[in-house]
Amino acid sequence: DVKVTQSSRYLVKRTGEKVFLECVQDMDHENMFWYRQDPGLGLRLIYFSYDVKMKEKGDIPEGYSVSREKKERFSLILESASTNQTSMYLCASSRQDRDYDEQYFGPGTRLTVT
Amino acid sequence: AQSVTQPDIHITVSEGASLELRCNYSYGATPYLFWYVQSPGQGLQLLLKYFSGDTLVQGIKGFEAEFKRSQSSFNLRKPSVHWSDAAEYFCAVGVGDDKIIFGKGTRLHILP
Repeated sequence: DVKVTQSSRYLVKRTGEKVFLECVQDMDHENMFWYRQDPGLGLRLIYFSYDVKMKEKGDIPEGYSVSREKKERFSLILESASTNQTSMYLCASSRQDRDYDEQYFGPGTRLTVT
Repeated sequence: AQSVTQPDIHITVSEGASLELRCNYSYGATPYLFWYVQSPGQGLQLLLKYFSGDTLVQGIKGFEAEFKRSQSSFNLRKPSVHWSDAAEYFCAVGVGDDKIIFGKGTRLHILP
């Protein structure tokens, strides 16, 4: 059974803290994605990666960075957390294919920045 | 610009009634279209996808969707909903390089 896991379901951090959100997939997928989900806004792509050590900005990369040192792991980093980064963060992975492959999602991390 | 519009933020139907969730897209080429479902406290799960061929696509959990190029629509349907179908539903379109963009979602409520 395919699986995407995220390090925490709930996280509370203070303004200015450095925050790491970890995502691991066990499907040997090449692609990995980080989304942010907010009520009324749907899912918005923050960053994605096609391969180890490769990253591309999505639609809302400001205030975030990512790291992909191993194929199975994709980390989202908030260098200095702010209250407007309070949100649900979803990680996903997919194969590289001639046609779009299904994206498999983790359960999400609900981050609160106080 | 590519976009996905889900006109209904909330929809309420009675258990056993039929369901149709609307989705309109804007994309220059032949679209790759998806419907995902998010149950409370869960990540998203793919219901179905359309790439080419038959415009009526069958998915999991008894859902189907019909691609209508002339209307730029990809509406999701189910003939009889169950209480377990209460969730948020997202329509999405592929925009190149394995990326997809999502609509803002429709939350489905089921009346007993």
